[in-house]
Amino acid sequence: SAVISQKPSRDICQRGTSLTIQCQVDSQVTMMFWYRQQPGQSLTLIATANQGSEATYESGFVIDKFPISRPNLTFSTLTVSNMSPEDSSIYLCSVGGVEAKNIQYFGAGTRLSVL
Amino acid sequence: GDSVTQMEGPVTLSEEAFLTINCTYTATGYPSLFWYVQYPGEGLQLLLKATKADDKGSNKGFEATYRKETTSFHLEKGSVQVSDSAVYFCALSSRAQKLVFGQGTRLTINP
Repeated sequence: SAVISQKPSRDICQRGTSLTIQCQVDSQVTMMFWYRQQPGQSLTLIATANQGSEATYESGFVIDKFPISRPNLTFSTLTVSNMSPEDSSIYLCSVGGVEAKNIQYFGAGTRLSVL
Repeated sequence: GDSVTQMEGPVTLSEEAFLTINCTYTATGYPSLFWYVQYPGEGLQLLLKATKADDKGSNKGFEATYRKETTSFHLEKGSVQVSDSAVYFCALSSRAQKLVFGQGTRLTINP
């Protein structure tokens, strides 16, 4: 498996502001993903973070709202821009290709509340 | 598209009871199947996996068998403990290694 660190673990933010979430892995990984888990709901994939190129977004998610960076094979950031209360969720980073390409391991998540 | 349907919760059992959480899937091709567990206030942990038909995944007393003919991957445990209280997610890995999750089942075990 891999050790995945996410920062911050939680935050309370004001409407209209932006928050950048960091995801650090203890080894180089081929795949990194960002998910959203709305209160009491399941996980929804936001995007695949591609090293050295633009992220690949899922339907319903756009780069202007959720810009993603991945400067190397161990680090990625997700920014939640111009936040509204509807953005209150848990945001999780995951990595794949550690043991096998179809297994993903998750960070502990960032619990975001927007007032 | 690919989808996963889980038994609706919440599920409440007494300690040492038998547990079954149903999971069925719809997918093109031959997906890999997973159960993840989310303990209160934590992220997701991989509980077990199966990568082809008739494979049985097992971990911590939990088991699930990949049934292609019924497109199912039901989670079972013979004797649950209070520490098993958590939310359980069934998931499949589709093309491009993306995970598709079921809606989750909240399990509470009473002493």
